[in-house]
Amino acid sequence: SQQGEEDPQALSIQEGENATMNCSYKTSINNLQWYRQNSGRGLVHLILIRSNEREKHSGRLRVTLDTSKKSSSLLITASRAADTASYFCATGNAGNMLTFGGGTRLMVKP
Amino acid sequence: GAVVSQHPSWVICKSGTSVKIECRSLDFQATTMFWYRQFPKQSLMLMATSNEGSKATYEQGVEKDKFLINHASLTLSTLTVTSAHPEDSSFYICSARGPTSGFAEQYFGPGTRLTVT
Repeated sequence: SQQGEEDPQALSIQEGENATMNCSYKTSINNLQWYRQNSGRGLVHLILIRSNEREKHSGRLRVTLDTSKKSSSLLITASRAADTASYFCATGNAGNMLTFGGGTRLMVKP
Repeated sequence: GAVVSQHPSWVICKSGTSVKIECRSLDFQATTMFWYRQFPKQSLMLMATSNEGSKATYEQGVEKDKFLINHASLTLSTLTVTSAHPEDSSFYICSARGPTSGFAEQYFGPGTRLTVT
């Protein structure tokens, strides 16, 4: 079953704008990961943040984690048309199992 | 490194037939592989966890007799959809985890699109 919800379900922005996606979850976690999926393709691992971390950066990506609110956000700065994809958060538990959120479909218009 | 392949990338079969999907870790040994199913515009749902040399662990609601999983070697897991029906049409994705611990070490295959007519 899905761990939680992602918000928004769909997001359309202009190239150069920032995109923010949120993920909420229900149970305690060891870590949270973000993945990207281009249409009809497999998943690409973007970034992992551990439960004792609050923020992490990777290039144009910034991820925050608030374990008290059981939520995370993914910020993509200076978006590009190539960033158009679906983005999923996935929570990892003590057993190393991943549970995926519903995903956010991002469209970046050139 | 850490490449996972799936074969075939897409398959069309007739209702009632069986289809086998292969998941291979190309440059590492995968003690654990996972099989997910993804319906259009939906998220990935874990179907089962496959451990090399032992029986697969299925998630609640997944019929083990319909979705046969075999993890015969450290680089290959197969998912066989038996007596396929149109409602089994979906995108099947596998992932593989290496022998060392770490959540980042779950690598995903490109997926297999199954269409049952």
